[in-house]
Amino acid sequence: EVQLVESGGGVVQPGGSLRLSCAASGFTFNDCQMNWVRQAPGKGLEWVSYISSSGRTIYYADSVKGRFTISRDNAKNSLYLEMRSLTADDTAVYYCAREPVGDPIDYWGQGTLVTVSS
Amino acid sequence: SSELTQDPTVSVALGQTVRITCQGDSLRNYYANWYQQKPGQAPVLVIYGKNKRPSGIPDRFSGSDSGNTASLTITGAQAEDEADYYCNSRDRSGDHLGVFGGGTKLTVL
Repeated sequence: EVQLVESGGGVVQPGGSLRLSCAASGFTFNDCQMNWVRQAPGKGLEWVSYISSSGRTIYYADSVKGRFTISRDNAKNSLYLEMRSLTADDTAVYYCAREPVGDPIDYWGQGTLVTVSS
Repeated sequence: SSELTQDPTVSVALGQTVRITCQGDSLRNYYANWYQQKPGQAPVLVIYGKNKRPSGIPDRFSGSDSGNTASLTITGAQAEDEADYYCNSRDRSGDHLGVFGGGTKLTVL
């Protein structure tokens, strides 16, 4: 069974930093591209970042470029999102999502809530 | 990036057919994927590519496309289909699946 379990969310002050993790199991992690997608309270889905299966190709949404860093450790079946210079606009549930090569984003974790507030 | 436009709300009578649409220039070149999201839950893929359904998705869900518009059709809507639906496709350059529509809240009356 495919499982994606996010962790690391919490309350952080504006300007602060946070590191999210996503533990993957039930599939061959290093065969899959991965994404972070977020959802602000009561709002729609917003794609945040993509990383290729090898980690060599990375993309970011304009809204987070220069502040967020995506990475992965295929030996640990884990995906990460390093977030800094956080603002209230970054408050959201952050989902880790799997994207097999040639296929759509097909599995999502349950998400971890990040709240940026003083 | 690109933009995908959806109607914010759509309603359908129980057992009737409803179409949810998604418009965007990128859809002229790339298929849309469709996700269903119920309150407090993660999104679930319901339609992808050229009208493909993942295992476990009822066959009342179907997809189609024409020009810059993709559509998700539910034939014989059930109460459990009440949810938010999001379309998703590639960015203008085709590099990643980083474009989501604003979502459509489907109400089953």
